[in-house]
Amino acid sequence: AQSVTQLDSQVPVFEEAPVELRCNYSSSVSVYLFWYVQYPNQGLQLLLKYLSGSTLVESINGFEAEFNKSQTSFHLRKPSVHISDTAEYFCAALSSGGYQKVTFGTGTKLQVIP
Amino acid sequence: EAGVAQSPRYKIIEKRQSVAFWCNPISGHATLYWYQQILGQGPKLLIQFQNNGVVDDSQLPKDRFSAERLKGVDSTLKIQPAKLEDSAVYLCASSPGTANYYGYTFGSGTRLTVV
Repeated sequence: AQSVTQLDSQVPVFEEAPVELRCNYSSSVSVYLFWYVQYPNQGLQLLLKYLSGSTLVESINGFEAEFNKSQTSFHLRKPSVHISDTAEYFCAALSSGGYQKVTFGTGTKLQVIP
Repeated sequence: EAGVAQSPRYKIIEKRQSVAFWCNPISGHATLYWYQQILGQGPKLLIQFQNNGVVDDSQLPKDRFSAERLKGVDSTLKIQPAKLEDSAVYLCASSPGTANYYGYTFGSGTRLTVV
């Protein structure tokens, strides 16, 4: 069975500072990895995903995540955050092969401080 | 394209009452999911439909929860009778294919409070 760990429940950061949201997964097989963002009172939105190929994936709003197989990590980074990035971020994993079920982490609340 | 529609947005009921939630996925999306998101936790899959068939309902408390997706489009999730621990946001999501690696589109959710 797969699991997803987001150790940081909250991450406060000043505006225009860099941020890293950590995600580790465990799976005995290959996985696909996702980051979702949830703004207040809204549903989750897919931010980016890693399926195969380049281990560095980017979103349209400046976030990027790097798949690191040896460290079983998929950390999310942004070099300079904006107030509008304040939201909760969920990492998710999907095992490849057979029936696939997506497992979500417990989420990290990013609070951008003006 | 229109997103995933859910209603109602909020619902407050007393324990032992029944409640139903409705979801209209993105047009043409074959797969529909219901997730339960308890405060402070990540979403947990309750049930997954492919068209109008159930793919996975292993985490659905079948003694009180039921769901259907008639004609492979809209879906309803029902709780009867509700318990205090059912207080959560119920999220509906859909995806275009049968493989989950497409990523999901989520609705805004229904926030249920059981008192």
